Amino acid sequence: EDQVTQSPEALRLQEGESSSLNCSYTVSGLRGLFWYRQDPGKGPEFLFTLYSAGEEKEKERLKATLTKKESFLHITAPKPEDSATYLCAVQAADSGGYQKVTFGIGTKLQVIP
Amino acid sequence: ETGVTQTPRHLVMGMTNKKSLKCEQHLGHNAMYWYKQSAKKPLELMFVYNFKEQTENNSVPSRFSPECPNSSHLFLHLHTLQPEDSALYLCASSTVYSDVEKLFFGSGTQLSVL
Repeated sequence: EDQVTQSPEALRLQEGESSSLNCSYTVSGLRGLFWYRQDPGKGPEFLFTLYSAGEEKEKERLKATLTKKESFLHITAPKPEDSATYLCAVQAADSGGYQKVTFGIGTKLQVIP
Repeated sequence: ETGVTQTPRHLVMGMTNKKSLKCEQHLGHNAMYWYKQSAKKPLELMFVYNFKEQTENNSVPSRFSPECPNSSHLFLHLHTLQPEDSALYLCASSTVYSDVEKLFFGSGTQLSVL
């Protein structure tokens, strides 16, 4: 069974204090790993898809990286508006039929001014 | 209006009530999904529809009944719910079923069962 474990559960940073969120996964053949951002009272918003180990993607202050066992979401010089819950998800390689996306519980990030 | 729209945003219902959640997507997508999000738990897939046909039912109790009249609309009919069904119910859509590049989510319906 596919599993996604995110750490830490919660993270509090000062504005400008860079850090990383971790997503460890177990999947029988990775089709894709996804990062989403979720603000309170809203649905998740797509950030990145990573497909293979060594791949990196960037968007503003966020950078996502992928290894064979885990992914990191690096946040450089965060601002208060980066405060949100960040969700990681994986999809197994297609073996016929629908391959559901398995989500982690998320990391709740709070950036203090 | 663009994106995925869900109504109502909040719903309080008794255990004997019948209510429906509505989802509409304006993205021209062919696949639609219902997810359940409970506190301290990962998003839980409930149902998947592809071109109006249900393709996945993730062992959801029969008190939840989905309906997809066309590729743009999705309903979740609720009856005789339990307090443990209180959660955020999220609708999502995607371009292609079975090759989920990314999901577009609505803002959800926060459901409280008393």
